[in-house]
Amino acid sequence: GAGVSQSPRYKVAKRGQDVALRCDPISGHVSLFWYQQALGQGPEFLTYFQNEAQLDKSGLPSDRFFAERPEGSVSTLKIQRTQQEDSAVYLCASSLGSGGNEQFFGPGTRLTVL
Amino acid sequence: QQPVQSPQAVILREGEDAVINCSSSKALYSVHWYRQKHGEAPVFLMILLKGGEQKGHEKISASFNEKKQQSSLYLTASQLSYSGTYFCGTPAAGNQFYFGTGTSLTVIP
Repeated sequence: GAGVSQSPRYKVAKRGQDVALRCDPISGHVSLFWYQQALGQGPEFLTYFQNEAQLDKSGLPSDRFFAERPEGSVSTLKIQRTQQEDSAVYLCASSLGSGGNEQFFGPGTRLTVL
Repeated sequence: QQPVQSPQAVILREGEDAVINCSSSKALYSVHWYRQKHGEAPVFLMILLKGGEQKGHEKISASFNEKKQQSSLYLTASQLSYSGTYFCGTPAAGNQFYFGTGTSLTVIP
């Protein structure tokens, strides 16, 4: 009965470095979301997967952001050439059915870009 | 596209009631409510579906007015454990999901 896990929990990167954030959703969950949460703000939608298909990436802020879920389970959010404005908590959530169902969130990865 | 919540913040004494409102400029087909405690991930509270069906896990009630594109969350006899930031959220066009602006709730003894 493991929940959603994310790694690393904390990541410090120098500006210009590439980072990769991992999400392990609940087994059997079809839907997977990535969100970006700045300090004091609500989660902002980045991208949505249904199984291995990335059905919506309209929230990705720039082409430096890339997400994948190649086998329909684990997902990776990659940020290339990190900038200071990328500093935020990155949350992953999964749900059993379509995106309209209850979402189970992971603990998040706090990214700090220096 | 982001739903707007009111109030932005509220402080209650234990046992008092509160109402949190969520309003959208777009048609709402369903509304989710989540609570996030400081430094933690959001936790699901309930879903309200068009047509009045409600799903939830806690003794917190909510209403959904599709015509007015609004939802309200009712917390009665608040407990210390209710403290946190409450977000409404709604699926949007395509497969996006938008969270509201958030309401910070603090319950004091």
